[in-house]
Amino acid sequence: AQSVTQLDSHVSVSEGTPVLLRCNYSSSYSPSLFWYVQHPNKGLQLLLKYTSAATLVKGINGFEAEFKKSETSFHLTKPSAHMSDAAEYFCVVSTTDSWGKFQFGAGTQVVVTP
Amino acid sequence: GAGVSQSPSNKVTEKGKDVELRCDPISGHTALYWYRQSLGQGLEFLIYFQGNSAPDKSGLPSDRFSAERTGGSVSTLTIQRTQQEDSAVYLCASSPAGVPYYEQYFGPGTRLTVT
Repeated sequence: AQSVTQLDSHVSVSEGTPVLLRCNYSSSYSPSLFWYVQHPNKGLQLLLKYTSAATLVKGINGFEAEFKKSETSFHLTKPSAHMSDAAEYFCVVSTTDSWGKFQFGAGTQVVVTP
Repeated sequence: GAGVSQSPSNKVTEKGKDVELRCDPISGHTALYWYRQSLGQGLEFLIYFQGNSAPDKSGLPSDRFSAERTGGSVSTLTIQRTQQEDSAVYLCASSPAGVPYYEQYFGPGTRLTVT
């Protein structure tokens, strides 16, 4: 079985300051992990993914995430927030024991203030 | 290339009516997924098709919901006797194969409103 927990339902940051979105997962097998972003009234877009290669993964729009097996975490970061980063972010896990099925976290709503 | 498309983009229906939602996956993608996203909620898995295998229907909330996938491509999600709690955005996604390391590509969704 697998599960994913996003530790913050809402995050508010000032433009130009760092963003940290926290995600912990539970899995009996080696996981594949993803971060998706959903802007208002838009579809979900893949930011980045981890699939057992490098533990530090770089994605689009300056985002990156680090896979830490010992902490079962996959936190998403960005050094400097932009107004366009205001959106909802979903952490997702998939493993071989749930073939092809993705488990979505509940989401983190990011607000960026000027 | 073309992404996942869904139609209609918006659907308003009266309680008790049946609705059909359509998904056109990316050409060549063997895996297709349906999700439901209610206001302020995360994504709720509904059903998963992989190639010619029997679909995984474990997420369908009631027997009023059904889905089919014809020719391994286009999929239709049908909701019979709609209820107000069915109001949500229905998202379709496709993937090159139903394996854990392939990301899913999402369509723009169908916003269903049951009055």
